Parts: sequence; structure tokens; C-alpha cells
Amino acid sequence: AAGVIQSPRHLIKEKRETATLKCYPIPRHDTVYWYQQGPGQDPQFLISFYEKMQSDKGSIPDRFSAQQFSDYHSELNMSSLELGDSALYFCASSLRGFNSYEQYFGPGTRLTVT
Amino acid sequence: AQSVTQPDIHITVSEGASLELRCNYSYGATPYLFWYVQSPGQGLQLLLKYFSGDTLVQGIKGFEAEFKRSQSSFNLRKPSVHWSDAAEYFCAVGDDKLIFGTGTRLQVFP
Repeated sequence: AAGVIQSPRHLIKEKRETATLKCYPIPRHDTVYWYQQGPGQDPQFLISFYEKMQSDKGSIPDRFSAQQFSDYHSELNMSSLELGDSALYFCASSLRGFNSYEQYFGPGTRLTVT
Repeated sequence: AQSVTQPDIHITVSEGASLELRCNYSYGATPYLFWYVQSPGQGLQLLLKYFSGDTLVQGIKGFEAEFKRSQSSFNLRKPSVHWSDAAEYFCAVGDDKLIFGTGTRLQVFP
């Protein structure tokens, strides 16, 4: 079965650079979520989109922005990167339109800021 | 405030022994509850979920969990642990964004 695809899997950036993370949800899924997991931490919710509209926002820095496109893929844009942004970034998708609250996670993008 | 507590940071069991991982939650409405497993450097795999109905739910890899509303708990169990079960286990609650517990690291000795 198709899973959530995230690219790139690994990314190394320097401070103050920008990064773009991409997420391709499971086909027919209408909702995308982004989570950040710091070293040894639990995943923290950043932002979500339902049918291409932002549906909820968590502890996402103003330096970060995201959107969901017409084909339902999503991109997380991160600017003015800081050392503390080094983390594993997960995308998850679900089929909210059918009252399914199961979120399926991608393999994550490991971002290292040097 | 919504929260999830996993009291055990680290658990060690022998292969073949039974396992119970504890999870307590605080949630305003009827909770949607989940258990995820994460191997080192990997993504999160959904083990099982509770939305409503039967309070004992079965999941993949031989895991089960029991929802106890009176105790605000959703403990994960497995009757016989395999070495491949060694991983980090996260309990989560939410009907949209998920709130995760801090995780329990399971170590399995042969």
C-alpha cells in the first residue's frame, strides 16, 4: 500500500539559510499534518491543512510557513534557520472527510543546521 | 489542558515476558487514543487506535490496549515480547492534531 512520502530524507543547512521540506500524502487523503521531533523528544504539532486550507496551528515559529497544493502535497518552508531547528520533521496524512482520525506518518526529514 | 502522560521512561523486559506500557490522558471530550511505535531514526507506525465501542482494542504485531474511562488510561499490552519489539512507544490523543506522551523506551533482553 502507498505510504506518505517525504523528501528529502536528510538535509544539512547552515544558520540563516532556508529549507523546503516536501510531503506527499497517501492517495485520497485530504489532510496533512506537520510535526517536529527534537532529539529525545516527543513529536510536537506544527500545522495542519484540510482540503488545501490551514485547519490548525501549533507551536510553529513565524519563520516557518506551509501550504497544501491542489494535488494535496504539502511543503514546509523554513527561513533564517537556527541551530535549534535541527530535528526530525514528520508529515502525516489522514482522511478526515470520512471521519477517519488515523494519521499515517511518513519516514521523516532529518534536518541538521550547522 | 489536553495532555498525555507516560510514567515509564524506560522499561526492560526479557524476551517472552509479558509487557504493559502505561498511558494516562487528560482530554475534555471523548478521546481518540492511539499507540505508535518508533524504531531508531524511523517514522512512527500506528499500532492501534480507540475511537469508541469495545474498550479492548487489538492492534498489529500482537499488541492490544484497554481504554478505561474511569482511570483516564489507555495501557498497551503484549503477552509475549519479541526482541524485535525493542523500540520507542508513544501514546497519543486527539481528534485532529495529536498530542503525544514523552514516550517509553522498551529494551528487550534475550
